[in-house]
Amino acid sequence: EAGVTQFPSHSVIEKGQTVTLRCDPISGHDNLYWYRRVMGKEIKFLLHFVKESKQDESGMPNNRFLAERTGGTYSTLKVQPAELEDSGVYFCASSQDNSRNTQYFGPGTRLTVL
Amino acid sequence: AQSVTQLDSHVSVSEGTPVLLRCNYSSSYSPSLFWYVQHPNKGLQLLLKYTSAATLVKGINGFEAEFKKSETSFHLTKPSAHMSDAAEYFCVVTLSGGTSYGKLTFGQGTILTVHP
Repeated sequence: EAGVTQFPSHSVIEKGQTVTLRCDPISGHDNLYWYRRVMGKEIKFLLHFVKESKQDESGMPNNRFLAERTGGTYSTLKVQPAELEDSGVYFCASSQDNSRNTQYFGPGTRLTVL
Repeated sequence: AQSVTQLDSHVSVSEGTPVLLRCNYSSSYSPSLFWYVQHPNKGLQLLLKYTSAATLVKGINGFEAEFKKSETSFHLTKPSAHMSDAAEYFCVVTLSGGTSYGKLTFGQGTILTVHP
């Protein structure tokens, strides 16, 4: 069974540009989460999808970030326009349900904004 | 509200000696607690989890952790370190109920170095 995959693994863009990160969860997992680790800080929750619906987006930093999960399968996280402080590693995770099931993490996308 | 504090940002041990990575948590509800590990250039991997069953939890690769409610701690231990254990370890808490259901809160991470 394939794990959580993320694309790209690395992205280097200039301030003001747009970047779209993609996450493919484990097949059959209704719950999809995005997290971010800014350098020197802890990993922080961004948002949670249940199928195609946003269950909790309390961690989204501002309206430059837009997450979608059309059809309840893969998800995208768009940053537009990117700022220097958006640099970090963006992790995606999925789980079968959000009770006590394990969240399985992807390898992350390292975003560098110059 | 929930929070996690990992008491050491770096831990250094010699191969074959015990490992202790310390974690304290704060949670308003019954928490589920996890330890994840991240090896260089790899994703986060679950080591073990506590979900209100046995307080001593055994995980992969010889790691275990004990949930101590009175001390609000969930320390990770291993009797004998291997070189392959060198990685960054994260203590994580999530609520078992409430509106933040499923949302993970991470500690700051502990980098474990293992010397030959």
